[in-house]
Amino acid sequence: NAGVMQNPRHLVRRRGQEARLRCSPMKGHSHVYWYRQLPEEGLKFMVYLQKENIIDESGMPKERFSAEFPKEGPSILRIQQVVRGDSAAYFCASSPRTGPNTGELFFGEGSRLTVL
Amino acid sequence: AQKITQTQPGMFVQEKEAVTLDCTYDTSDPSYGLFWYKQPSSGEMIFLIYQGSYDQQNATEGRYSLNFQKARKSANLVISASQLGDSAMYFCAMGPGNQFYFGTGTSLTVIP
Repeated sequence: NAGVMQNPRHLVRRRGQEARLRCSPMKGHSHVYWYRQLPEEGLKFMVYLQKENIIDESGMPKERFSAEFPKEGPSILRIQQVVRGDSAAYFCASSPRTGPNTGELFFGEGSRLTVL
Repeated sequence: AQKITQTQPGMFVQEKEAVTLDCTYDTSDPSYGLFWYKQPSSGEMIFLIYQGSYDQQNATEGRYSLNFQKARKSANLVISASQLGDSAMYFCAMGPGNQFYFGTGTSLTVIP
């Protein structure tokens, strides 16, 4: 039973390029969360998606960042025109359901973006 | 607004001793879940333990237990019989609804 799969594990981009991070949730999970972790810091919520719907994107920067979770295929976190401050680990997590008293989030191993 | 606070940036514990990692939270939701995750140096996030706000008993998972004091809004993690492999970052999290909020983490070092 495969866990949450993220790729690429490591991504290097030059300033101004685009970064695409992919996340395949655990089988049967229809809820996906993206978090960003800066060095020496905790995880900051970015966006919560269900299939074909963005439920909560209150943690997403207003510009350059977008996320989707299509009916078929992985969830994509897209960062356009990357800047050095975007360098971070981006974690995807999935859950089988939402609401109070849910079970845990299942995390992927993260995608580490380095912007040169 | 929900908030998670971990006030211990770093902790040291002797091998085989017990250690408590502090976590306090703030929420106006009557129903919520509290979680602890471990992040070793390799970077992955490992789920450790979960406590529901309506659970009457403190959660336990092997050497991990959660000291849940609802009136004080605290959910401290207790690790018994520490092992060298317990050295890692530990994050407390709360999950009512759409967002799971994480604390800033506590770095635990187990000393041989």
